[in-house]
Amino acid sequence: TQLLEQSPQFLSIQEGENLTVYCNSSSVFSSLQWYRQEPGEGPVLLVTVVTGGEVKKLKRLTFQFGDARKDSSLHITAAQTGDTGLYLCAAAVANKFYFGSGTKLNVKP
Amino acid sequence: NAGVTQTPKFQVLKTGQSMTLQCAQDMNHEYMSWYRQDPGMGLRLIHYSVGAGITDQGEVPNGYNVSRSTTEDFPLRLLSAAPSQTSVYFCASSYSRGRWEKLFFGSGTQLSVL
Repeated sequence: TQLLEQSPQFLSIQEGENLTVYCNSSSVFSSLQWYRQEPGEGPVLLVTVVTGGEVKKLKRLTFQFGDARKDSSLHITAAQTGDTGLYLCAAAVANKFYFGSGTKLNVKP
Repeated sequence: NAGVTQTPKFQVLKTGQSMTLQCAQDMNHEYMSWYRQDPGMGLRLIHYSVGAGITDQGEVPNGYNVSRSTTEDFPLRLLSAAPSQTSVYFCASSYSRGRWEKLFFGSGTQLSVL
């Protein structure tokens, strides 16, 4: 059983559609991070959320940290083909980083 | 600005062979770590280091050794390669120890063990 459960595992949508990716856990975290990974590359940090209930926006991407700091969501508005990639949530516990299994997003033109 | 550099990019090994994956960072980061990425499993921590001379185990340490003699370098050694170690390996570094610090990743090493 993974510490962070992500859903859905795969998502294939048309350009212009909205989508939400979820990251859930039964553990409480001091912070949670979202990374995006493109084929053949390492993950790149998108955002870190720290406060329960916090909402952060990065252009068309909206990140929310749950009130209880156990879960997070990533919402993309009007997806573009450039949003295609693997989205990973991550949390650090006692110097160890744990990652979710990822959501593979494909945005079709 | 090199960031985190991993070599080699690709490697094929036979069962039982040993090899070292290299990782170097030029950002003076205290924290360095190794992950393996398998389909549907996300990234899993193999070993990590919070500074020169200090290493510790992650989630999946068996079959791997690390050392940290300098701040810049954190090599990962496969002692006797097994097909189960076929994976993509990533090295990552961070300014400080865990918490909410950003991880900087290398571009990965794709390893196949036959």
